[in-house]
Amino acid sequence: GAVVSQHPSWVICKSGTSVKIECRSLDFQATTMFWYRQFPKQSLMLMATSNEGSKATYEQGVEKDKFLINHASLTLSTLTVTSAHPEDSSFYICSARGYRGLGGYTFGSGTRLTVV
Amino acid sequence: EDQVTQSPEALRLQEGESSSLNCSYTVSGLRGLFWYRQDPGKGPEFLFTLYSAGEEKEKERLKATLTKKESFLHITAPKPEDSATYLCAVPMASGSRLTFGEGTQLTVNP
Repeated sequence: GAVVSQHPSWVICKSGTSVKIECRSLDFQATTMFWYRQFPKQSLMLMATSNEGSKATYEQGVEKDKFLINHASLTLSTLTVTSAHPEDSSFYICSARGYRGLGGYTFGSGTRLTVV
Repeated sequence: EDQVTQSPEALRLQEGESSSLNCSYTVSGLRGLFWYRQDPGKGPEFLFTLYSAGEEKEKERLKATLTKKESFLHITAPKPEDSATYLCAVPMASGSRLTFGEGTQLTVNP
């Protein structure tokens, strides 16, 4: 079945620094990738949608300059949290979808970001 | 507006006590209803996709069913390892993004 690998699983960074999260589709080409944020005891909140080779589309209220998304290849998308602050601490999850829906909506294992 | 509502928010069962989780949806032109299981600190794990009213799918102790307005996830004789949050989601009418329900947190006590 479709597999999406997300790294790192957890990361701790100092306030003001940047951190990059990678999301890779291992056995299919991900034409579309989605990035979510999840707060404790809440459901997934979509941050942005990216199509390979195009600029990401951000949801209302999501700062595109803070959350940089790159989807330069059909198997890799990255989310960079720039100038991180404690309020950016959260659980970030990626999801990938292939051409004509191949792979369904397959999710990565998530990244726990803690900004200290 | 596309909307997905799950109930109950939380459910506690004794091992072996069967029950059902509900997912009500409002979307123009359903293009699939997805069920996921999410364990704490993990990403959602795919369970089922249903596409048309009357469709049913089974996997071990889980069975998902679909009507024109809602989907049920039936859990038969659950075990403690079935404890998790169960999420349902539908693709929005416009585009491919998923709209998620708030989830049902299931706890199965031994």
